[in-house]
Formats: sequence, C-alpha cells, structure tokens
Amino acid sequence: NAGVTQTPKFRILKIGQSMTLQCTQDMNHNYMYWYRQDPGMGLKLIYYSVGAGITDKGEVPNGYNVSRSTTEDFPLRLELAAPSQTSVYFCASSLQESSYNSPLHFGNGTRLTVT
Amino acid sequence: QKEVEQNSGPLSVPEGAIASLNCTYSDRGSQSFFWYRQYSGKSPELIMSIYSNGDKEDGRFTAQLNKASQYVSLLIRDSQPSDSATYLCAVIRGSQGNLIFGKGTKLSVKP
Repeated sequence: NAGVTQTPKFRILKIGQSMTLQCTQDMNHNYMYWYRQDPGMGLKLIYYSVGAGITDKGEVPNGYNVSRSTTEDFPLRLELAAPSQTSVYFCASSLQESSYNSPLHFGNGTRLTVT
Repeated sequence: QKEVEQNSGPLSVPEGAIASLNCTYSDRGSQSFFWYRQYSGKSPELIMSIYSNGDKEDGRFTAQLNKASQYVSLLIRDSQPSDSATYLCAVIRGSQGNLIFGKGTKLSVKP
C-alpha cells in the first residue's frame, strides 16, 4: 500500500495563479482532510470529507475549494493564489471519524510558495 | 484562550534524560488526546493516544492525562538524539470529531 500520496511536492505560484493539489489514498478510508501548516505553527484544518460526494469546511477554508468524486481522491483547489497561502499542505485520511481507534494517516506534504 | 496550548520550546535535554512535554486544552468536553511526532520537513506521525485519566505507557513513551486539570503530557525516557523533533499535541473536541492541533514543542536531545 502506498498510503496517502500527495503531488506535487513543491510548487511556486505567482499571485493570482491557480492550481490543484492532488491527494489520493489506497486504504479505502472514508474520511479525508486537508491541513495547512505555517512555520512554527500547528496544523489548521482547511476542508474535510466524510465520504464521496460530501465535503465540509474546517477552520480556515477561505481561498480554497475541494471536491470528493471518489473515495480515493480529494483534490484541493486554489483559485487566486495569495502570499498568505504560502504554507505546507498536508492531506490525511482515516477509516472513521477521528477517534482514539481511528488515527490520521498523513501524506508527505506539498510545500507551496506564492510570490 | 487557544484551544490547545503547548510551550513552543525549544526544549533541550541531554541524551539519556527524561523529556517532559506538556499540553493544555480549553474544551472540557474533549474526549481523545494524541501526540504526534514531526521531524523537520516531514509529515506528522502518531506516537501515542490516550482517552482515560491516568498514564499510558508504550516503550519509552508515557502519556499522562488529567481531565480535571485539562492537561495532557508526554514523557520520553532515556531520550535519544533520534527523538529530536517537534511534538504536536492534538485533541478531539467533544462536540465533533476533527482534531485540533497545538503549535508543537521542539525537542532537542544533545549527545
């Protein structure tokens, strides 16, 4: 099993450009999440999904969009990149809702710089 | 008041010593508590989880939970240089299942 796979690993965007961060998991997990981590900070939840066709906002959703057409894939879309979106983005998945018995599995992250 | 608070460190301990990492949380309804380790430039990995008051031991790691004081800690015995990383405390609030992370404590174990 590859686990959670994120692409690309690194990306530099100009202000106003758009891009999609890809995330796929092969563990048949229902729950998927997008977090961002700014330097010296913890992870902030952007969006999450409890299953195909269902998405919901997290703590910091502004400037982002998501879709969940399949169980495996959960792409994150930035429409108009801004310098404030410079961060490391982590995708994660879990079999059930986050709980003691259902920990998160993280991808390796995407380091995004907006200039 | 932040939902999950940790001392950002850095916490420096000599090799072989006990490292003590602390975390407080604001929501009294929180049910589950986690410690993730994150090496520089890497993704977080789960090392301990705890949901009942008291101690939980796993190898060199011990998680301690005190719900009355809204406090959770992680002890690392016989600290090794390979333990040098940032340790993230995470809490599930009682009302929903999403994890709330603290900013993390950077631990440095000196040989």
